[in-house]
Amino acid sequence: DAGVTQSPTHLIKTRGQQVTLRCSPKSGHDTVSWYQQALGQGPQFIFQYYEEEERQRGNFPDRFSGHQFPNYSSELNVNALLLGDSALYLCASSLARGAGETQYFGPGTRLLVL
Amino acid sequence: AQTVTQSQPEMSVQEAETVTLSCTYDTSESNYYLFWYKQPPSRQMILVIRQEAYKQQNATENRFSVNFQKAAKSFSLKISDSQLGDTAMYFCAFSGEYGNKLVFGAGTILRVKS
Repeated sequence: DAGVTQSPTHLIKTRGQQVTLRCSPKSGHDTVSWYQQALGQGPQFIFQYYEEEERQRGNFPDRFSGHQFPNYSSELNVNALLLGDSALYLCASSLARGAGETQYFGPGTRLLVL
Repeated sequence: AQTVTQSQPEMSVQEAETVTLSCTYDTSESNYYLFWYKQPPSRQMILVIRQEAYKQQNATENRFSVNFQKAAKSFSLKISDSQLGDTAMYFCAFSGEYGNKLVFGAGTILRVKS
């Protein structure tokens, strides 16, 4: 049973560029959430996708956008990259059965903005 | 807004001994869910234990157990018979009764020494 996968593993970009990160959920899961984890801190919720729509959003600017595909995989896009966007980006998947469903995390994508 | 506080940035314990990690949270919701996640140095976040707030019985998973004190808004994790593989960053997380986004604490680094 495949767990949550993310690509790429590492990424280096320069300020002002755009980046796309990808996530495939755990088999059978239909909901994908994205988190940003700065070095030495806890993850911060970016947004969540279900049925190809953004269902919840955290306190992140519009430069952060996402998409969910019919096969439940998801992308996170960040435009106009800033140095402060350097972080580990975690994808988590779950079932849309209601509140409190356990989220299963992928290994993350380490983004460095120079 | 919900907040989660982990007051111990770092802890260490001898192999085979018991250690308790602290977590407090703040919410006005009456029904919610609490989690402990483990993030080893390889960085993949793994669920350790889950507690439903409406259940008074403390959750237990093998060597891991929680002390859930709803009135005090406290949710500590006890690790018995500590093993070297328990060395990791431990995050306490909250999920409310609407949606299932996670709000994380800042984490506690646990080092198990031989």
